[in-house]
Amino acid sequence: GAVVSQHPSWVICKSGTSVKIECRSLDFQATTMFWYRQFPKQSLMLMATSNEGSKATYEQGVEKDKFLINHASLTLSTLTVTSAHPEDSSFYICSAMGLAGPTYEQYFGPGTRLTVT
Amino acid sequence: SQQGEEDPQALSIQEGENATMNCSYKTSINNLQWYRQNSGRGLVHLILIRSNEREKHSGRLRVTLDTSKKSSSLLITASRAADTASYFCATDHTGTASKLTFGTGTRLQVTL
Repeated sequence: GAVVSQHPSWVICKSGTSVKIECRSLDFQATTMFWYRQFPKQSLMLMATSNEGSKATYEQGVEKDKFLINHASLTLSTLTVTSAHPEDSSFYICSAMGLAGPTYEQYFGPGTRLTVT
Repeated sequence: SQQGEEDPQALSIQEGENATMNCSYKTSINNLQWYRQNSGRGLVHLILIRSNEREKHSGRLRVTLDTSKKSSSLLITASRAADTASYFCATDHTGTASKLTFGTGTRLQVTL
C-alpha cells in the first residue's frame, strides 16, 4: 500500500515550452501533496505544498507563475513548468500525505527528470 | 536557510565495515527521518525517530537522536555494496504543517 506514482519519469523539452508532471497516490487519498526539486548531487528543496481544492502554498523564492500547481482531486496533483529554461532542468519529486496506521506519513514518488534544451 | 547539515558529505568504506553519518538541524523538531536515494531514483524511507525517543533500531540500522545538541546519527552495520547510495535526514518542525526539511546528504560508497 501507500504507492505514489509520477508521470512522466523523464522528459526532454525545448526552451520556451511548458511541461506538465503528474503525481498520483494510487491506493490512498491525499489531501496534501508536496513538490520538491533536486539538482544533481544536492538535497531536496521543497517548492510548494499542494492542498486539494485550494491554492498551493509556495516556498520563498519559488515563482508561482512559473511553477503552476493544481491539486484537482484527492489522488492527483500536477506541476506545470511554464516557459521552461535550461536552468529549470532538474529532478522533480512529489510526495503525498497519507494515513499509515495512527499517523500521517509522507510517501514519495519516484521522481521526474526534466531536461530543457 | 533551515536546511540541516550532514557530515560527512561523502564516505567510502569497504564491505563489512560500519558506516556512520551525522545530521544536525536548527530548530525544534517533531520527528526526524532518514531516507536513502539511489542515483537518479526516488526516496526510500528507512526509519523515523520521534523527538521523545533517543535511539531506534531497524535491522542493520541504528539511529540516535540528541535533541539537546539538535543532532542525529545513522549507523549502518556490516555494510554491503548494495548500501551504496545517498542518505538524507529530514525533519519536520513544530508549526510547519508536516513540511519536511532535508539535510544536505551523505554519499556513501561501499566497495567490495
